[in-house]
Amino acid sequence: EVQLVESGGGLVQPGGSLRLSCAVSGFSFSTYSMNWVRQAPGKGLEWVSYISSTSSTIHYADSVKGRLTISRDNAKNSLYLQMNNMRAEDTAVYYCARDSSWAFHIWGQGTMVTVSS
Amino acid sequence: QSVLTQPPSVSAAPGQKVTISCSGSNSNIGNNYVSWYQQLPGTAPKLLIYDNNKRPSGIPDRFSGSKSGTSATLGITGLQTGDEADYYCGTWDSSLSAWVFGGGTKLTVL
Repeated sequence: EVQLVESGGGLVQPGGSLRLSCAVSGFSFSTYSMNWVRQAPGKGLEWVSYISSTSSTIHYADSVKGRLTISRDNAKNSLYLQMNNMRAEDTAVYYCARDSSWAFHIWGQGTMVTVSS
Repeated sequence: QSVLTQPPSVSAAPGQKVTISCSGSNSNIGNNYVSWYQQLPGTAPKLLIYDNNKRPSGIPDRFSGSKSGTSATLGITGLQTGDEADYYCGTWDSSLSAWVFGGGTKLTVL
């Protein structure tokens, strides 16, 4: 069974850091591009970042550039999102999503991140 | 303000048909594939349509997608109460080098 399982969410103070993980199983992780997508409470979907299968290409939304860093470890079948200098507007459910044919075919269940003092 | 424009809400009776529009520009919809996602309350989004009009396995043919120029449309026929959800369009924006979503459309089956 194809599965994406996010973890690492929680409560963090403004200016703080958090590292999200996405554990993958059921498919050949090293052959797929991956993304992080977030959804603030009561709001729509917002794409955050993309990483190619070999990590050679990375893209970020303007709202997170310089503060969030996407990475992956193909040997561990895992995707990561390092979040630094966090702001209240980063509060959201964060989903990892598998990318193919220019669409997000598989989504994880999400992990909640709350930035508050 | 989303790069892609969707109506905030649509509604129709059970058994009827509804369409949801998604409007963009040449840098996104006009030159890239469009996908559609369904998000049931309290759950993660699910892919309904990719490459403008293709359905992943397991998605019933009641769901269809089309694209013309800088606009795309999701169609749902034979509406069921279980179709009540938020629907999002998405595509790559070549000018922004970013993936963009519409603001979402809430479907109510009356």
